[in-house]
Amino acid sequence: GENVEQHPSTLSVQEGDSAVIKCTYSDSASNYFPWYKQELGKGPQLIIDIRSNVGEKKDQRIAVTLNKTAKHFSLHITETQPEDSAVYFCAASRYSSASKIIFGSGTRLSIRP
Amino acid sequence: SQTIHQWPATLVQPVGSPLSLECTVEGTSNPNLYWYRQAAGRGLQLLFYSIGIDQISSEVPQNLSASRPQDRQFILSSKKLLLSDSGFYLCAWSGQSSSYEQYFGPGTRLTVT
Repeated sequence: GENVEQHPSTLSVQEGDSAVIKCTYSDSASNYFPWYKQELGKGPQLIIDIRSNVGEKKDQRIAVTLNKTAKHFSLHITETQPEDSAVYFCAASRYSSASKIIFGSGTRLSIRP
Repeated sequence: SQTIHQWPATLVQPVGSPLSLECTVEGTSNPNLYWYRQAAGRGLQLLFYSIGIDQISSEVPQNLSASRPQDRQFILSSKKLLLSDSGFYLCAWSGQSSSYEQYFGPGTRLTVT
C-alpha cells in the first residue's frame, strides 16, 4: 500500500523567512496530493492541493511542487507569519469512489518573532 | 455551504465502558464519510470509511465499529473501551463528484482512564 514520509518533524523559522516541508510517496499511481494545517485542538484544514497533471501550484504565500518521477512533493511558505505556526500534514491519494488518503506523520512549524 | 459537526467535543470514559461518537454533515447529499484517529503528536490513521448508508469498510481491525444510520450521519462505537483507545477522533467528508477532497470536523478528544 501507499506510504508517505514527511520531513522534518519539527521546523522553527524566523518570522518573515520561508519554510519548506518535504514529502515522499511510494505508490506511483497516486494522483492527488493535499496539504493540511492543524492548529492545536482543532481538526485539520485543507490549505492547498495538487494533482498529478500539474507540477506547481501557488496560492498567495503558499506553494506546492510535485516531482512525479522522483515521487516527492513539497510545501513552501514564504514571508512566514505567527499565525502560520501549526502542524502541517502532507498526504497522497489515488482517486477512487471513496479516496483513502494516506497522511504523512506531520511537521510542527514554529514561527519565531 | 457544507458544515460538519462532531460531538461530544471531549469525553473521559473508564476502561470497559461503551463509546458512541457522532458525526453529522450538513449542506450536501450522499457524502463519503470517514473516521480517523490521531494519537498524541502523531499522524492520522484511517479507521472506517463509508460510501453510502450501511456501506462501511474497516481499515484497521480493532475494538471499534462504525455505523451510518442516515445519509449524513456517521457513528463510531465501542462496546468496551481500552486504554489504547484514547486519542483525538476526527470525522471527515468528501463529495461524490470530488471525492478526493476531504474536509474534517472539529474532532472529539477521548481519554480512557
